[in-house]
Amino acid sequence: DAKTTQPNSMESNEEEPVHLPCNHSTISGTDYIHWYRQLPSQGPEYVIHGLTSNVNNRMASLAIAEDRKSSTLILHRATLRDAAVYYCILRGRLGSNYKLTFGKGTLLTVNP
Amino acid sequence: DAGVTQSPTHLIKTRGQQVTLRCSPKSGHDTVSWYQQALGQGPQFIFQYYEEEERQRGNFPDRFSGHQFPNYSSELNVNALLLGDSALYLCASRKPRTSGGTETQYFGPGTRLLVL
Repeated sequence: DAKTTQPNSMESNEEEPVHLPCNHSTISGTDYIHWYRQLPSQGPEYVIHGLTSNVNNRMASLAIAEDRKSSTLILHRATLRDAAVYYCILRGRLGSNYKLTFGKGTLLTVNP
Repeated sequence: DAGVTQSPTHLIKTRGQQVTLRCSPKSGHDTVSWYQQALGQGPQFIFQYYEEEERQRGNFPDRFSGHQFPNYSSELNVNALLLGDSALYLCASRKPRTSGGTETQYFGPGTRLLVL
């Protein structure tokens, strides 16, 4: 599985934007970039995914570098409920990689 | 619409015992995966079940086994428990296979197992 690298932890203030980086220099052309997050005492939850173009949804935005070797998850206005561990994961195409390979993720702390 | 449910929420066992954990997938989902999450680590893939068969397996010993029932629910069995099996066990389900390779997995809250 292609590997991702994330900072161990980041800190933000409430209502400020947060940019969570992820490096994936060995990404293949067919790998999708997925982000999940895990709130305290809960299972992981899907946040967003993309292939080449930037993506937006109600939770966050995903900015993907032109060479696809890095990406950034953007939380536009952090709230206390966004405090969680954020995982950046590469997913292969249908039929090649059903499992999710988690790293240690980035622990995001949001200060009031 | 109920999400993924798991039972029990917590469990305490002693070394050498056997344990069975249960998972009901989200409505409309047919594929179930199990993950083990040790304290301070990300979840590690154990195996995945689809059409009542194990389809993919992670790097876990044969002490870890599973089953999927016709209603898509699933069980994880662990025999001869070791202290190192203490972890949060997560179940995840997803929709039937679609094109695009972007299947989102939905996780349950997990079962916390403590082996003494």
